[in-house]
Amino acid sequence: QLQLQESGPGLVKPSETLSLTCTVSGGSISRSSYYWGWIRQPPGKGLEWIGNIHYSGSTYYNPSLKSRVTISVDTSKNQFSLKLSSVTAADTAVYYCSYYASGSSPFKWFDPWGQGTLVTVSS
Amino acid sequence: DIQMTQSPSSLSASVGDRVTITCRASQSIGSYLNWYQQKPGKAPKLLIFAASSLQSGVSSRFRGSGSGTEFTLTISSLQPEDFATYYCQQSYITPLAFGGGTKVEIK
Repeated sequence: QLQLQESGPGLVKPSETLSLTCTVSGGSISRSSYYWGWIRQPPGKGLEWIGNIHYSGSTYYNPSLKSRVTISVDTSKNQFSLKLSSVTAADTAVYYCSYYASGSSPFKWFDPWGQGTLVTVSS
Repeated sequence: DIQMTQSPSSLSASVGDRVTITCRASQSIGSYLNWYQQKPGKAPKLLIFAASSLQSGVSSRFRGSGSGTEFTLTISSLQPEDFATYYCQQSYITPLAFGGGTKVEIK
């Protein structure tokens, strides 16, 4: 059974780069049908998709964040990572990582999710 | 980009009530629609995928329906543990998008 866990600093200064890692257990990050995603949720607000990555390195980003986002995968550590540059207070949110795939079916969904980690942007 | 609009944004209901939440897509997405439940301080939980397929382990009182641009999530008999916020999400094309959420509160 897949389990995901986010890790990284809980406080980032404005204009700096937010860096988070998601560690996957219970399965290999390198399965060909597997995609991995990042989603965020500002306090009291809804969910926003940040982007997905395939273990091969193919990435898909939300255009609203694309210029500042980099998602990468480290198959040797069974981890994938998020970097968001030039952060502002508007980037304060709970950041979730998730598995996004469904095997051979064209339908895909986010499940399971990590527990989430709150990142606050403040000086 | 596809926009997802949920209605209502919140509702009050009693235990035992039948509850219906609507999600509309700005263009046709076939059956590429998922529903999630989120409780305070917790990660979202998948309830329904591909518009109408019940995720393993999820109560059968949850039912998803619809295709194209209009979808519904129905809770047949609301239970105390169902008070939460519900989100729809389209998986038809990137950028992926979630609806704004529907908060189900106790009347």
